[in-house]
Amino acid sequence: DVKVTQSSRYLVKRTGEKVFLECVQDMDHENMFWYRQDPGLGLRLIYFSYDVKMKEKGDIPEGYSVSREKKERFSLILESASTNQTSMYLCASIEVLYNSPLHFGNGTRLTVT
Amino acid sequence: GQNIDQPTEMTATEGAIVQINCTYQTSGFNGLFWYQQHAGEAPTFLSYNVLDGLEEKGRFSSFLSRSKGYSYLLLKELQMKDSASYLCGIRDKLTFGTGTRLAVRP
Repeated sequence: DVKVTQSSRYLVKRTGEKVFLECVQDMDHENMFWYRQDPGLGLRLIYFSYDVKMKEKGDIPEGYSVSREKKERFSLILESASTNQTSMYLCASIEVLYNSPLHFGNGTRLTVT
Repeated sequence: GQNIDQPTEMTATEGAIVQINCTYQTSGFNGLFWYQQHAGEAPTFLSYNVLDGLEEKGRFSSFLSRSKGYSYLLLKELQMKDSASYLCGIRDKLTFGTGTRLAVRP
């Protein structure tokens, strides 16, 4: 079974702090994704990566950056956290094969105070 | 760009059948996913449609019409545990609709 692991389940940070959300997958997937999920807005794509050191902006990249130094790890960075970044963050990975599903981590609930 | 529409909320009765619709507009299309998500949990995979037609998996079926930009998820013999959000997603840039919150009543 594919395992996508997010390092923290709950995180509380202060406004202006630099925040790192870590995600690791164990199935050698090329493609990895970061989403945030808010009530009434659904899953919104922040950034994705098709390979090591490659990154593409999703629909809402402002205020975020990402790092993919190793294939199995995809990090989401909030350079200067703000209260409007309080949200549930979900990492996911997928194989290149078209009939394979997207596998999600359990999520990190980030609160910025 | 992509635009994916689903109803926000639906209610159905235990034992009944419910159909959750999803319409989409996209510049590229490589398939459509359906996921189930219970409150506070990660989404779990239900189905993936690439070609037109109906795919059946037990109580759940998913239909796709690429020419109409339309899909639906059909849930039969509803159970209370089916109360959840159902997410429709497009495999192009892997974006999702806002999800449909289904409440199953006794």
